[in-house]
Amino acid sequence: AQSVTQLGSHVSVSEGALVLLRCNYSSSVPPYLFWYVQYPNQGLQLLLKYTTGATLVKGINGFEAEFKKSETSFHLTKPSAHMSDAAEYFCAVSNNDMRFGAGTRLTVKP
Amino acid sequence: KAGVTQTPRYLIKTRGQQVTLSCSPISGHRSVSWYQQTPGQGLQFLFEYFSETQRNKGNFPGRFSGRQFSNSRSEMNVSTLELGDSALYLCASSLEVAGKGETQYFGPGTRLLVL
Repeated sequence: AQSVTQLGSHVSVSEGALVLLRCNYSSSVPPYLFWYVQYPNQGLQLLLKYTTGATLVKGINGFEAEFKKSETSFHLTKPSAHMSDAAEYFCAVSNNDMRFGAGTRLTVKP
Repeated sequence: KAGVTQTPRYLIKTRGQQVTLSCSPISGHRSVSWYQQTPGQGLQFLFEYFSETQRNKGNFPGRFSGRQFSNSRSEMNVSTLELGDSALYLCASSLEVAGKGETQYFGPGTRLLVL
């Protein structure tokens, strides 16, 4: 069975600082991996996804993630946080269906 | 192209009642999935419909059911509501079946409060 673990339910960074949100997965087959963002009172929006090919995936709003098979990780990063990045972030793995992590709430301090 | 729409956006019901939520997918999308989101349990998969057939089902009681129409619009029904059913119900659509790297596009959700 596939599953996702997001380390840290809450991450706080200062504006301009590096954002690092951690995601580890388990899957019996090569995974398809996603990061979604959810702003208050809204649905989820796709940031980026990994299917095959290049392991460094670039997404919207300056985010990127690197698929590391040996570490079963798919951490999300952004070099410089902006106030507008404050939201909840979900990592997901899909094979037969989509399984989401518990989410990480990102706070950006001015 | 219009996004995924869900109606109603907010709903208040009492225990024992039933409720029907509606989802209109992006035009051309054939798959619709439903999720329940709560602070304690996070995002949990309810079921997926593809071309009017239930393709996959999560671990929810039979009180939760759904269907998909020929135009890909979907409804989910919850009968005999319980307090614990209070949640944000999200619908997501995709071109093909979810999984295998297919991107899901989410609607804004229906927030259900059971009193």
